[in-house]
Amino acid sequence: EDQVTQSPEALRLQEGESSSLNCSYTVSGLRGLFWYRQDPGKGPEFLFTLYSAGEEKEKERLKATLTKKESFLHITAPKPEDSATYLCAVILYNQGGKLIFGQGTELSVKP
Amino acid sequence: GAGVSQSPSNKVTEKGKDVELRCDPISGHTALYWYRQSLGQGLEFLIYFQGNSAPDRSGLPSDRFSAERTGGSVSTLTIQRTQQEDSAVYLCASSPRGGGMKNEQFFGPGTRLTVL
Repeated sequence: EDQVTQSPEALRLQEGESSSLNCSYTVSGLRGLFWYRQDPGKGPEFLFTLYSAGEEKEKERLKATLTKKESFLHITAPKPEDSATYLCAVILYNQGGKLIFGQGTELSVKP
Repeated sequence: GAGVSQSPSNKVTEKGKDVELRCDPISGHTALYWYRQSLGQGLEFLIYFQGNSAPDRSGLPSDRFSAERTGGSVSTLTIQRTQQEDSAVYLCASSPRGGGMKNEQFFGPGTRLTVL
């Protein structure tokens, strides 16, 4: 069964304290991996797409990386406004366009 | 430009009633998706429309759920004879094309459904 697992479930950081979120996947035929940010009461906001092992994408304080088994979302010197739930999702070959999501990591950054 | 819009933002209904949820995708996007987000659970795929192709209904949890997409644009998700376990946030997303590369999906704000 195709599965996406995110860890930790929750992460509390002090402002400026860098860390990483993990997304591991056990799937058949990975086409791409997506990271989204979701604020309370809102829909997910697209951050990154990664398509092949070794690929990296950066945006402000965030950097996403991909291996054959997992992806990391690195947060450098986070600020309180980075507090949100971060969602990882995969899209597979022969499965149309549907995304398979992990459960998310709830990030809280305290000043 | 305008993003994905959904209406209503909140819906409270009584068990056994039918509800309709609406999604307006980003103009020009050919693919449209419905997902459900329940408390304590991740986003769960429901249904996917791509152009004029037959929709992928593989995620619909029961025959009480149905969806239509008219004119390749607006979509309506209908839940008949609602049950308390249908309470969730229903999210719609659209993408420029479906299933291929650069399949970034852009989400609407969701409709929070509460079944009493």
